[in-house]
Amino acid sequence: GQSLEQPSEVTAVEGAIVQINCTYQTSGFYGLSWYQQHDGGAPTFLSYNGLDGLEETGRFSSFLSRSDSYGYLLLQELQMKDSASYFCAVRDQQAGTALIFGKGTTLSVSS
Amino acid sequence: NAGVMQNPRHLVRRRGQEARLRCSPMKGHSHVYWYRQLPEEGLKFMVYLQKENIIDESGMPKERFSAEFPKEGPSILRIQQVVRGDSAAYFCASSLSRAANEKLFFGSGTQLSVL
Repeated sequence: GQSLEQPSEVTAVEGAIVQINCTYQTSGFYGLSWYQQHDGGAPTFLSYNGLDGLEETGRFSSFLSRSDSYGYLLLQELQMKDSASYFCAVRDQQAGTALIFGKGTTLSVSS
Repeated sequence: NAGVMQNPRHLVRRRGQEARLRCSPMKGHSHVYWYRQLPEEGLKFMVYLQKENIIDESGMPKERFSAEFPKEGPSILRIQQVVRGDSAAYFCASSLSRAANEKLFFGSGTQLSVL
């Protein structure tokens, strides 16, 4: 089976930096992904880490440590539009490698 | 360049009726996934299909729920004899392959309300 743990809520102010952590347990590991969802809309892909280290995409970065079964999403120079839910996800061997999501972290950015 | 199309966007059913949710994947995508989401909760995996095949349905209730992805036409998630607990947002996603780094493209979801 698999499980993913991430904080349920995070608050921050515009311009700040916020880190959303994710720990996971899976039967087979095929990388950690991050998705963003605004107000119950279509989730959208943000990043993928297959190997240890940091992946940077503009203001967003994602980190993975396979030995610690841990990753995080780092959001810099926060903007109001970053207020959304953020989900970490792993592919699970027992689910035919379908993507399994954590329960999500709701980020609220205030001015 | 249409993305993943789901319809209807909103579906209202009375208890005991059937609900049919449709999903057309992105052009060229042959892998389809269905997820259910309750308010303030995450995306719960239901079923993973490839053209004409169910790859994994471990997340789908054994009774009343079924899914298909025929050779031609959209993928269908069918819920028979709906109950109030079936009320949720149902999201469909598609991908080009099942590679680990393959991203999923999601539709806008179908909000099912059971009266």
